[in-house]
Amino acid sequence: DAGITQSPRHKVTETGTPVTLRCHQTENHRYMYWYRQDPGHGLRLIHYSYGVKDTDKGEVSDGYSVSRSKTEDFLLTLESATSSQTSVYFCAIGRGRDYDNEQFFGPGTRLTVL
Amino acid sequence: GENVEQHPSTLSVQEGDSAVIKCTYSDSASNYFPWYKQELGKGPQLIIDIRSNVGEKKDQRIAVTLNKTAKHFSLHITETQPEDSAVYFCAASSETSYDKVIFGPGTSLSVIP
Repeated sequence: DAGITQSPRHKVTETGTPVTLRCHQTENHRYMYWYRQDPGHGLRLIHYSYGVKDTDKGEVSDGYSVSRSKTEDFLLTLESATSSQTSVYFCAIGRGRDYDNEQFFGPGTRLTVL
Repeated sequence: GENVEQHPSTLSVQEGDSAVIKCTYSDSASNYFPWYKQELGKGPQLIIDIRSNVGEKKDQRIAVTLNKTAKHFSLHITETQPEDSAVYFCAASSETSYDKVIFGPGTSLSVIP
C-alpha cells in the first residue's frame, strides 16, 4: 500500500465519544487526504492537507477535524461521534497536480459508532 | 463543484467477455480522469488514467476512452478474468480544484468463471 499505514484498522465506539484515526506515510508525499466510503456514494473527500499545518475542507467535512504537524502524519478526529459516521475511512497520499494527482490509498479503517 | 456519475452500479460478465463501465462528469474544466480498482478488503489502486488532450489510452486488456464534448468517459476491459472481479471507481480532477479528485459511486464487477 505504497508506504501508508492506518491505525486503528477497526474500531467500535459509542455515540458522543471522541475518536482519532491516524494515517502515517513513509513516502514523503506533500498531499494527504481523508475519505469515507459508503455504499452507493463511492469515496467522498472529508479533508485534505497540502503541507504541514496546511489543510482544507472536502465535500463532507462537517463533524470532522484534521491536523498535520509532521509531513508523515495526518490525523482525523471525530469530536463527538454519531451513528452517521459509521463508515470505512481511507487515507490517501499524493504528489499533486504536477504528478497528475495520482493518489495512493491506505488499507482503510472500519469505524462503527453504536 | 464537480459531480461524477457512474453506470452500471453492478455488472456481471462471463469469463472471456468484455466489460464496459461508463462515467459522466459535470465540470467542463476537468482535465484528468483516473480509474481505480478496489479489491475486497483493500484500498483503491490506480489502474489507468487519461488526460483531456487524449481520446483513448490502452494498457494490455484495459482501455479508457474520453469524449470531452459529451463529458463522458468509459473503461473497457477485454478478455475478462476472475481476478478482474472488484469495485471500479472513475474519477475526475480539474485545473480549478487541482488538489482534489472527485470519485464516482463505483461499479461492482463480477467475472463468472
